[in-house]
Amino acid sequence: DTAVSQTPKYLVTQMGNDKSIKCEQNLGHDTMYWYKQDSKKFLKIMFSYNNKELIINETVPNRFSPKSPDKAHLNLHINSLELGDSAVYFCASSYGGGGVKSYNSPLHFGNGTRLTVT
Amino acid sequence: DAKTTQPNSMESNEEEPVHLPCNHSTISGTDYIHWYRQLPSQGPEYVIHGLTSNVNNRMASLAIAEDRKSSTLILHRATLRDAAVYYCPFSGSARQLTFGSGTQLTVLP
Repeated sequence: DTAVSQTPKYLVTQMGNDKSIKCEQNLGHDTMYWYKQDSKKFLKIMFSYNNKELIINETVPNRFSPKSPDKAHLNLHINSLELGDSAVYFCASSYGGGGVKSYNSPLHFGNGTRLTVT
Repeated sequence: DAKTTQPNSMESNEEEPVHLPCNHSTISGTDYIHWYRQLPSQGPEYVIHGLTSNVNNRMASLAIAEDRKSSTLILHRATLRDAAVYYCPFSGSARQLTFGSGTQLTVLP
């Protein structure tokens, strides 16, 4: 079974549209993340949720809104898509609640969603 | 932005050892050094992490400088399947990891 799965794998859409990317993990982790990878392979964190609570919100346009209905899911909704939003978006999970367990818990990534805005 | 410095690319011959360097001069005393790699068309995968002592696992070895401002990921015998982008983020916990643009490792047959 896939540990961290995200859908869709590819998303092609036009400027101005609203789209969502879904992510689910079956590892029992308490923390989930969204990362954005640009064309130069630079991988940057966007959001982090711990037990459904937002704990990291990097400088991301408010057109991006994460939603975590439960610990196993973290979805990313994007409003009014722009050309510059084209990238690969990765979901990840780990133990992040603090303490030794979080220090020694690696991130588990999904295989990414390639978003192309035309 | 990225707090680590890595070469953009490196090459290695198959079956030979590879030493991938990383500078993290702003690391604090409680930050762990992590290494991840990303195979083509996949998400990053965990390789190894450590705090002060050198670490070994089935995938690689991690050598950490005494001042902790740099580290080296060692692949003892590179295979074609090791061709990937290698990242070395550091943080006090996994939830604060920030990756840079990594090192593209090419393994030559």
